[in-house]
Amino acid sequence: GENVEQHPSTLSVQEGDSAVIKCTYSDSASNYFPWYKQELGKRPQLIIDIRSNVGEKKDQRIAVTLNKTAKHFSLHITETQPEDSAVYFCAASKDHASGGSYIPTFGRGTSLIVHP
Amino acid sequence: GAVVSQHPSWVICKSGTSVKIECRSLDFQATTMFWYRQFPKQSLMLMATSNEGSKATYEQGVEKDKFLINHASLTLSTLTVTSAHPEDSSFYICSARGLGRGEQYFGPGTRLTVT
Repeated sequence: GENVEQHPSTLSVQEGDSAVIKCTYSDSASNYFPWYKQELGKRPQLIIDIRSNVGEKKDQRIAVTLNKTAKHFSLHITETQPEDSAVYFCAASKDHASGGSYIPTFGRGTSLIVHP
Repeated sequence: GAVVSQHPSWVICKSGTSVKIECRSLDFQATTMFWYRQFPKQSLMLMATSNEGSKATYEQGVEKDKFLINHASLTLSTLTVTSAHPEDSSFYICSARGLGRGEQYFGPGTRLTVT
């Protein structure tokens, strides 16, 4: 089955700095990669996703890049703010055409701390 | 759009009793719902996947007779923890997904404490 590794487990940055979280996956057939943000005691929220037919996607201060050959994808947050502090999870899954049904495999999470 | 509710948000029960948790998609039809368990400071552990009108598919190591899942409609799935024990205490989160869609939307979670 799919195996998703996520690094680092903890990331501490100063407000205004950039933060990068990296994930690798093992199943080359995976083609959908969402990122979730989970604040303490709250639900995970989808913040951005990317499909394997594109290499990069951006939404304001967040961006995700995908390298299919190397089987890794990364979350980039620029101009970090204290409210970005949360746990971020990456995930990988594949659609029906690829033999899956979008059942995600999650990374272990990265605790991002943004210091004011 | 894409709102998922979960009820109750927290519950305390005595060992040996059963607890039912409801997960509802409020503004879309959820053909697939997932049930997760999350321990403090850990990732989401998928327990089972349920498709509307069919039996749930349980992940390895999850007891289907203990964690009963029903997905009788396109907007409602329930998880019943039967004969609960203190080790079942955890944060249970559901998520819902529409037909053919990859993105899933999570409920707010249910904190279960078994005494």
